[in-house]
Amino acid sequence: SQQGEEDPQALSIQEGENATMNCSYKTSINNLQWYRQNSGRGLVHLILIRSNEREKHSGRLRVTLDTSKKSSSLLITASRAADTASYFCATARPGSARQLTFGSGTQLTVLP
Amino acid sequence: KAGVTQTPRYLIKTRGQQVTLSCSPISGHRSVSWYQQTPGQGLQFLFEYFSETQRNKGNFPGRFSGRQFSNSRSEMNVSTLELGDSALYLCASSSGTGFMNTEAFFGQGTRLTVV
Repeated sequence: SQQGEEDPQALSIQEGENATMNCSYKTSINNLQWYRQNSGRGLVHLILIRSNEREKHSGRLRVTLDTSKKSSSLLITASRAADTASYFCATARPGSARQLTFGSGTQLTVLP
Repeated sequence: KAGVTQTPRYLIKTRGQQVTLSCSPISGHRSVSWYQQTPGQGLQFLFEYFSETQRNKGNFPGRFSGRQFSNSRSEMNVSTLELGDSALYLCASSSGTGFMNTEAFFGQGTRLTVV
């Protein structure tokens, strides 16, 4: 079963704009990871944030984690057409650190 | 270093047949997990192997099985294929050490079509 839900399900923006995706989950976690998937291909690991971290940056990516609200957000700044993909959050629970539970994903379309 | 390698990339099988998928993890990684991705159910965890032992198992029927070899390579087997088994099967590799920092890296997947 899906651990969480992602919001929005689909997002369409212009190149250069920022894109924000949200992820909610249900149980306590060890960490939360964000992945990108291009059109039915493999998942590309973007960033991992631990449960004791609140914010993390990697290039144009900024991830926040609020464990009290059981939610996370992924911000992509200055979007490019190449960012067009599906984005998934995945959580790892205590005691099952290598068993990831995925959200339903956000389909991001960046228009040139 | 080389990433996660899954073979084959595409498979077409007939209902009732069985299939074996292969995954070679990143060098040095001892944990291999398998996931099924379908449009209806999304990404679902199948099972995880660490040091040749199954450590976690998802909610899938016994037709789905796997194993891991001493070199950490893993195989997944599905017997008596059903149409609903058509999916993208993804393998993830992680170092398997530690619980707070277990990044999982995925292969390109095997697209299985059951006809």
